[in-house]
Amino acid sequence: GAVVSQHPSWVICKSGTSVKIECRSLDFQATTMFWYRQFPKQSLMLMATSNEGSKATYEQGVEKDKFLINHASLTLSTLTVTSAHPEDSSFYICSARDPGGASSYNEQFFGPGTRLTVL
Amino acid sequence: AQSVSQHNHHVILSEAASLELGCNYSYGGTVNLFWYVQYPGQHLQLLLKYFSGDPLVKGIKGFEAEFIKSKFSFNLRKPSVQWSDTAEYFCAARGSTLGRLYFGRGTQLTVWP
Repeated sequence: GAVVSQHPSWVICKSGTSVKIECRSLDFQATTMFWYRQFPKQSLMLMATSNEGSKATYEQGVEKDKFLINHASLTLSTLTVTSAHPEDSSFYICSARDPGGASSYNEQFFGPGTRLTVL
Repeated sequence: AQSVSQHNHHVILSEAASLELGCNYSYGGTVNLFWYVQYPGQHLQLLLKYFSGDPLVKGIKGFEAEFIKSKFSFNLRKPSVQWSDTAEYFCAARGSTLGRLYFGRGTQLTVWP
């Protein structure tokens, strides 16, 4: 299957600082990427859908000014957590949709996740 | 809105036992269904998927799932589990090939050797 990478894999920051997380599709071009947040022992919650060259679509309850998403190229989307606070500590996962050929059925491939800890 | 329910939150089995994890979805139209697995410290991996055709779908590592439209279910099965199957399992659904995925809350499977 296709490969999606995330960087960094973990980050610790002080309250009030901003943190940028990168999501890359390594062997395919992804016009659409997704950002999820996963709390311990819970499911993945979709935060936003990121389309290359346009503004991200945020899910209800997600602050777009706090979680800035940029999808400037077909292989890179970034999530910036601005003015991070301890309650933003979580596991952030991205996925990229591979439009591929007919057999791929627009499958989503997931990155390994980024563990954010805000002190 | 779509939703996906996984009723088993934590399942504990001995090796060689049979496994069935429940998944129900709420959506009246065409639906694509998925099972993902997340091994400790690793990213989500696709186990199997259903789009159309034969409702019994076979995936990797000996897993299979059956789509029962009348029950809105897509249960995951494996006849004989191994210790290495210990992981978190997520059921997911989407309404179209371009739609977003809706995830269940996951089922933690622990297999004792």
